[in-house]
Amino acid sequence: DAKTTQPNSMESNEEEPVHLPCNHSTISGTDYIHWYRQLPSQGPEYVIHGLTSNVNNRMASLAIAEDRKSSTLILHRATLRDAAVYYCILRRVFGNEKLTFGTGTRLTIIP
Amino acid sequence: DGGITQSPKYLFRKEGQNVTLSCEQNLNHDAMYWYRQDPGQGLRLIYYSQIVNDFQKGDIAEGYSVSREKKESFPLTVTSAQKNPTAFYLCASSHWWVQPQHFGDGTRLSIL
Repeated sequence: DAKTTQPNSMESNEEEPVHLPCNHSTISGTDYIHWYRQLPSQGPEYVIHGLTSNVNNRMASLAIAEDRKSSTLILHRATLRDAAVYYCILRRVFGNEKLTFGTGTRLTIIP
Repeated sequence: DGGITQSPKYLFRKEGQNVTLSCEQNLNHDAMYWYRQDPGQGLRLIYYSQIVNDFQKGDIAEGYSVSREKKESFPLTVTSAQKNPTAFYLCASSHWWVQPQHFGDGTRLSIL
């Protein structure tokens, strides 16, 4: 599996936008970029995924670099409930049944 | 509401004892998965199943067993052969293996 690199931790003020970076320089053409988040003592929650184009949903936006070697998860207006560990994961379209979770980015929201 | 239910939330195992963790989903998903999470770590895949009556080993299957007799159920047994079973166990499901996975709230297993 192609590897992703994320900062161990980040802080952001409440009600401000948050940009969570992810590097994936060895990404292949058939790898989707998935983001999950995990709140304390809960299972991970799917946030968003994309292949080449930027994606938006009710939770967040995903900005993908033109060369696809990096991406950024954008939370437009952080709330205290967004404090979690965020995982950036590559998932091949065919033949890859598992999600390979690294240690993610621990996001702290400052009131 | 559709979702994944894991039970119990907390479980204690005695030395030499087998224990079974329950996972039920009413999302009509084909694929189901079991992961293990140790403190401060990411998730590691134990077993997965893409269809009923079929399952495959993941990265850390030793000391674990599963069954998939019904589409909605995928129980995990932690056997006495698993020497370090203390962990947070997470069950997930997806429509097919390429789709995003939905997770339960986990079972925390400890050794007495």
